[in-house]
Amino acid sequence: GQQLNQSPQSMFIQEGEDVSMNCTSSSIFNTWLWYKQDPGEGPVLLIALYKAGELTSNGRLTAQFGITRKDSFLNISASIPSDVGIYFCAGNYGGSQGNLIFGKGTKLSVKP
Amino acid sequence: KAGVTQTPRYLIKTRGQQVTLSCSPISGHRSVSWYQQTPGQGLQFLFEYFSETQRNKGNFPGRFSGRQFSNSRSEMNVSTLELGDSALYLCASSWPLLAGSTDTQYFGPGTRLTVL
Repeated sequence: GQQLNQSPQSMFIQEGEDVSMNCTSSSIFNTWLWYKQDPGEGPVLLIALYKAGELTSNGRLTAQFGITRKDSFLNISASIPSDVGIYFCAGNYGGSQGNLIFGKGTKLSVKP
Repeated sequence: KAGVTQTPRYLIKTRGQQVTLSCSPISGHRSVSWYQQTPGQGLQFLFEYFSETQRNKGNFPGRFSGRQFSNSRSEMNVSTLELGDSALYLCASSWPLLAGSTDTQYFGPGTRLTVL
């Protein structure tokens, strides 16, 4: 099925560093979502974006809905060990959950 | 408020068998969606149920089916299991304020299915 291009696939960073990851699509999306998944758990919604150009923060996390509506990025500032996990972007273009497309994830590792 | 629960957490089956997975949404949530997660394909949408009706369906064969009960609990069934059906099956619940809106989806911990 259709998938988003999410990059990077993995990141190894030092504690305290900032992190940036992004997703691109060939289709225009109406909604962008960012999730984090810990081992053995289901994804947890971090940020939801509903308008082109929208910039939303959730603590140390900031995400933006690209102006073209075909991309989004997620930034994590001053990373800490508990940021470790897999981050997924997801897009919705049809206005229903049936059209929620996921990226393949960015695996984040943080060295203390 | 209790989160989304899924049972069983782990399941081992053999090819050709069938399996039924269960999902209990957060109290008050009326929409339940099912996803399949594999290392190769990532997270892929299976179907969504709202008020006991399948509202949307992903691109999976007819061996994958589901239903929702009047209390919003949902089950999914996979018949004639194949090796490639080994995956983490996740369900997510939400209470969409508007039909077709992408409201906050809360995921359960998943059921890890292994097909031998």
